[in-house]
Amino acid sequence: EVQLVQSGAEVKKPGESLKISCKGSGYSFTSYWIGWVRQMPGKGLEWMGIIYPGDSDTRYSPSFQGQVTISADKSISTAYLQWSSLKASDTAMYYCARQKDFDYWGQGTLVTVSS
Amino acid sequence: DVVMTQSPLSLPVTLGQPASISCRSSQSLVYSDGNTYLNWFQQRPGQSPRRLIYKVSNRDSGVPDRFSGSGSGTDFTLKISRVEAEDVGVYYCMQGTHWPPFTFGPGTKVDIK
Repeated sequence: EVQLVQSGAEVKKPGESLKISCKGSGYSFTSYWIGWVRQMPGKGLEWMGIIYPGDSDTRYSPSFQGQVTISADKSISTAYLQWSSLKASDTAMYYCARQKDFDYWGQGTLVTVSS
Repeated sequence: DVVMTQSPLSLPVTLGQPASISCRSSQSLVYSDGNTYLNWFQQRPGQSPRRLIYKVSNRDSGVPDRFSGSGSGTDFTLKISRVEAEDVGVYYCMQGTHWPPFTFGPGTKVDIK
């Protein structure tokens, strides 16, 4: 059974750094793109970026380029989304999803950034 | 970037009645391989999105057959033949032909009258 299990909710202050994770199981992690989708409170879905763990090829939405970093550790079948300096506007639910098909999704990680 | 639009944005429906959601893209979603990468997702309250339909009209495993997708080029439709209480949520179309970026529609909120 394919599963994507994300790390738990985070509460951070503006300016802090953060790295959240998404662990894949039940399939060949290195053979599928995996990426991240943002959902701000009460809003729709926004695609952030994608990585191919097999060779670490990474693509970003122009809206998120330079704002976040996507990475993966294929040895532990885990993808990451990280910020170097959080803003209040980064408060959102973040979903990982197996892409490019978006056929499997993680349970979401709620990130709250507040002073 | 390809812009996805949906209508209506809010859809109150009566249980047992049909419902239809329209999705339009700013350019054709036919890819060079002949496929059209248009997906539909359902997001129930408090849950992760779930893919219902892929490549316009292919229903995912476990999706009730009251859900159907159709369309071509730039115009697509998701239909629910008879709405049930468990269908309440937000429905999104998404294009996967011209990426990056993948782009979602704004969502259509379906609730019961």
